[in-house]
Amino acid sequence: GAVVSQHPSRVICKSGTSVKIECRSLDFQATTMFWYRQFPKKSLMLMATSNEGSKATYEQGVEKDKFLINHASLTLSTLTVTSAHPEDSSFYICSASPSGVNYGYTFGSGTRLTVV
Amino acid sequence: AQTVTQSQPEMSVQEAETVTLSCTYDTSESDYYLFWYKQPPSRQMILVIRQEAYKQQNATENRFSVNFQKAAKSFSLKISDSQLGDAAMYFCAYRSLKYGGATNKLIFGTGTLLAVQP
Repeated sequence: GAVVSQHPSRVICKSGTSVKIECRSLDFQATTMFWYRQFPKKSLMLMATSNEGSKATYEQGVEKDKFLINHASLTLSTLTVTSAHPEDSSFYICSASPSGVNYGYTFGSGTRLTVV
Repeated sequence: AQTVTQSQPEMSVQEAETVTLSCTYDTSESDYYLFWYKQPPSRQMILVIRQEAYKQQNATENRFSVNFQKAAKSFSLKISDSQLGDAAMYFCAYRSLKYGGATNKLIFGTGTLLAVQP
């Protein structure tokens, strides 16, 4: 149980375009999902906390207008990278946890974004 | 604010041997969870083991065990009988229980890259 599906796994886009990444909890409801960014051989950097039915909470230094997060249902959160630039190229990972603190967070398989 | 520190950027172990990865953390809270996650080359994050702070007994999961020292704020991971498939980046993580439920974010250490030599 506690499966999180993330799509796409890889995406290449042109500079200036927007890219949407989806994160779905397949077998549980997730009122909260988390979005991370990871650079090669580095740790996960939390970008924002996605809350179902309300605005996302962004970490300091993360541009809200560039990284749009929508959590419209209890099983789906999306991250849209708007007007992407090469410096936005990175590995993006989402995670969520079923209710009940006994669970560790489950992670999606990640999305490798390359902006050319 | 809580912090998690992993002082070993890289470690190496011979196959079938035992290796210990270090993790220290800083918090003023008394109730929290600690985790070790494994990230293999596929980059899928995999939960290895978790420890509830209120439990004195160290958690174990097959070949993986932890040494949890709450007073010292130390949480090391021991991998016994190391296998080639254990080669990965290992992250120590802290989760507050301050607000309960699934809303508390994970705070990660910088990771330890483990190589397993055949």
